[in-house]
Amino acid sequence: EVQLVDSGGGLVQPGGSLSLSCAASGFTLSGYWMSWVRQAPGKGLEWVANINHEGSEKYYVDSVKGRFTISRDNSKNSLYLQMNTLRVEDTAVYYCARPLYSSGWAGFEYWGLGTLVTVSS
Amino acid sequence: QSALTQPRSVSGSPGQSVTISCTGTSSNVGGYNYVSWYQHHPGKAPKLIIYDVNKRPSGVPDRFSGSKSGNAASLTISGLQADDEADYFCCSYAGSYTFVVFGGGTELTVL
Repeated sequence: EVQLVDSGGGLVQPGGSLSLSCAASGFTLSGYWMSWVRQAPGKGLEWVANINHEGSEKYYVDSVKGRFTISRDNSKNSLYLQMNTLRVEDTAVYYCARPLYSSGWAGFEYWGLGTLVTVSS
Repeated sequence: QSALTQPRSVSGSPGQSVTISCTGTSSNVGGYNYVSWYQHHPGKAPKLIIYDVNKRPSGVPDRFSGSKSGNAASLTISGLQADDEADYFCCSYAGSYTFVVFGGGTELTVL
């Protein structure tokens, strides 16, 4: 059974840092590019970042470029999101997500339960 | 404000059909046949129910169907069941720079 378990969320002050993790099981992580998606309170979902299979290519939504870093350790079946210089508007539930196909795009087939990040003073 | 526009809520009685709309632009919904739909029960992981506009992943009943016309996509749920009560959100590929955009979500109430 495929499972994605997000963790690492919490309360942090503006300007602070937080590191999220996503533990993958039930499939070979190295076979898929992966993503982080977030949902702010009362708002719709927003794609945050992508990383390719080997971790050599990374893409970000403009609002987090230079502040967030996506990474992966395929040997540990884990995906990460390092979030620095956090802003109030980064407050959201963060989900790791796996696409339906190992390459190309059709949709996110598997999602984690999400981890809540609250940025507040 | 989300890039794709969905109604905030829809409702229907058991056995009835409901349709949820998802309106975008030629830069997303209208430009690609990569619309996907997700069912999200609070506290659970979102579930992919439609991809590539009208395809169903294995295990998703054929009561769920998707379509697209121009810049608008739709999800139709027929034979409503109590367990269908959830949030539904649409998603569209939007090019290599933007990647994907989502709708704001629609809360489905089964009366």
